[in-house]
Formats: sequence, C-alpha cells, structure tokens
Amino acid sequence: NAGVTQTPKFQVLKTGQSMTLQCAQDMNHEYMSWYRQDPGMGLRLIHYSVGAGITDQGEVPNGYNVSRSTTEDFPLRLLSAAPSQTSVYFCASRDRGTTNEKLFFGSGTQLSVL
Amino acid sequence: DAKTTQPTSMDCAEGRAANLPCNHSTISGNEYVYWYRQIHSQGPQYIIHGLKNNETNEMASLIITEDRKSSTLILPHATLRDTAVYYCIVDQSQGGSEKLVFGKGMKLTVNP
Repeated sequence: NAGVTQTPKFQVLKTGQSMTLQCAQDMNHEYMSWYRQDPGMGLRLIHYSVGAGITDQGEVPNGYNVSRSTTEDFPLRLLSAAPSQTSVYFCASRDRGTTNEKLFFGSGTQLSVL
Repeated sequence: DAKTTQPTSMDCAEGRAANLPCNHSTISGNEYVYWYRQIHSQGPQYIIHGLKNNETNEMASLIITEDRKSSTLILPHATLRDTAVYYCIVDQSQGGSEKLVFGKGMKLTVNP
C-alpha cells in the first residue's frame, strides 16, 4: 500500500491564482482531512470528509474548497490564492469506528503564495 | 475543548529513557489520548494511544493517570532518530464530526 499520497510536493503561486492540491489514499478509509501547518505551529484542520459525497468545515476553512467524489480522493482547492495561505499542507486519512482510529498522513505540500 | 499542555522542549541523552509529559485536565470520559511525532517537516507519525489503561507497543509506552488528567509518553531507549516534535492530542471526534486539536507540541532533542 502506498498509504496517503499528496501532489505536488512544492508549489509557488502568485496572488489570485487558483490551484488544486491532490490527495489520494489506498486504505479504503472513510475519513479524510486537510490540515495546514504554519511555522512553529501545530496543525490546524481545514476541511474534512466522512465519506464520499460528504464534507464539512474544520477550524480554518475560509479560502478553501473541497469535494469527495470517491473514497480514494480528496482534493483541496484554492480558488484565489492569498499570501496568508502560504503554509505546509497535510492530507490525512483514518478508519473510524474501531478502537484505533489513528491518522495516516501524507508527506505534505509546501505552498508559497507571492 | 479538551486542550492539552506540553512543555516547549526537552533534552534527553541517547540510550536513556525519555519521559514526555502532557496535561489534559478537561478530557471527557470517552475521549482517547493520541501521541504523534513529526520529524523535520514530514507528515506526523502515529506513536501510541490510550483511553484509561497503560499501553505499550514497539515504539513507546503510554502511562495515563487514574483521573485521566495527564499522561506520559515513554521512549525507553531514546536514539538520535527520536529527535522530533511530539504532539499529545485528545480526540474529541464524535459520530460524523472530526475534531483533533494539535497544539504546538514539544521538541525532543536526543543528544549523543
């Protein structure tokens, strides 16, 4: 199993540009989520999904859109990038409803918005 | 919200046990404590979790106090590769919601 795969690893955008961060998992996990991590900070939840067709907002959802058309994929869209969105983004997935609901994280996408 | 409190940083000598404390005084009865670590800027890695009883796996041991208001992660024989930021998290997710609050974590430095 590849686990959680994120692409791209690095991206530089100009203010106002749009882009999609890709995330895929091959563990058949129902729950998927996106976090951002700013320097010296912990991770903050942006959006999450509890299954195909179902998404919800996390702690810092503004400026981001998500969709979940399949169990495997959970892309994060920046419609109009702003410098405040410069951050490292992590996608995660987990299996809920068990006694071990640990998160599996991707390797991250480092995004710079100029 | 079940907030966790950890020291900012800690040093440990290689080969010695590293005891990483965490306070979670507002934890609710059915909320699990999870520990993750993050090496450099990689994605966080799961270490261990528990509810009430002490737990041990191939990576670490987790000691949870009887009142569940604090816990200690124990790395029995720390190595240089254990240098990382360690996050203690209370999983408040219920039903269809997702709620895990990552604080700033604690930087563990293992010295030769």
